[in-house]
Amino acid sequence: QKEVEQNSGPLSVPEGAIASLNCTYSDRGSQSFFWYRQYSGKSPELIMFIYSNGDKEDGRFTAQLNKASQYVSLLIRDSQPSDSATYLCAVILGNTGKLIFGQGTTLQVKP
Amino acid sequence: SAVISQKPSRDICQRGTSLTIQCQVDSQVTMMFWYRQQPGQSLTLIATANQGSEATYESGFVIDKFPISRPNLTFSTLTVSNMSPEDSSIYLCSVEMASGRSSQETQYFGPGTRLLVL
Repeated sequence: QKEVEQNSGPLSVPEGAIASLNCTYSDRGSQSFFWYRQYSGKSPELIMFIYSNGDKEDGRFTAQLNKASQYVSLLIRDSQPSDSATYLCAVILGNTGKLIFGQGTTLQVKP
Repeated sequence: SAVISQKPSRDICQRGTSLTIQCQVDSQVTMMFWYRQQPGQSLTLIATANQGSEATYESGFVIDKFPISRPNLTFSTLTVSNMSPEDSSIYLCSVEMASGRSSQETQYFGPGTRLLVL
């Protein structure tokens, strides 16, 4: 089992819809969770972090964490074509303290 | 977040040669890291660059192949030695800093160095 797993996609949504990106992790002791956005040919850009169970909202983005299910998600409301990118889930593993990345989910927002 | 720069931004190299990549940060940071992102793949941690001591390498990466320097708290270099086409990748440095809106330590990435080995 991979330490951090994401569906590679592509996930295609129409403009204005809600995009839902999901991530699971294997280490139950993990405490900190991050979402990065990476445009083609660019480096990853931090969008959000979350470390408490529940929801955390920032503008059009909501991160959701469920430690019991070892599941973290990112919702993007009112999706725009400019949101089209690869979204990387990253987790600081409890046993090593290292930041481990998932494979990333490619999101396509169609006008 | 910090301003992070990398040099070169891209390079095309011949097999058997070496390339040194520089990472410069505009503020002092304790933790700096080097990652590799192979085509179509996610990020893999190569090593943690420790100031004043040897870098800490991840499984599968060795100092002879990827020597790292960290002479101060704002600068680090990664050398890719004796290159082969399998080393073609994006190499990224990152720094760990507290997010501006909380005390949570997060990693911020430089723009990356795109390396093609022929």
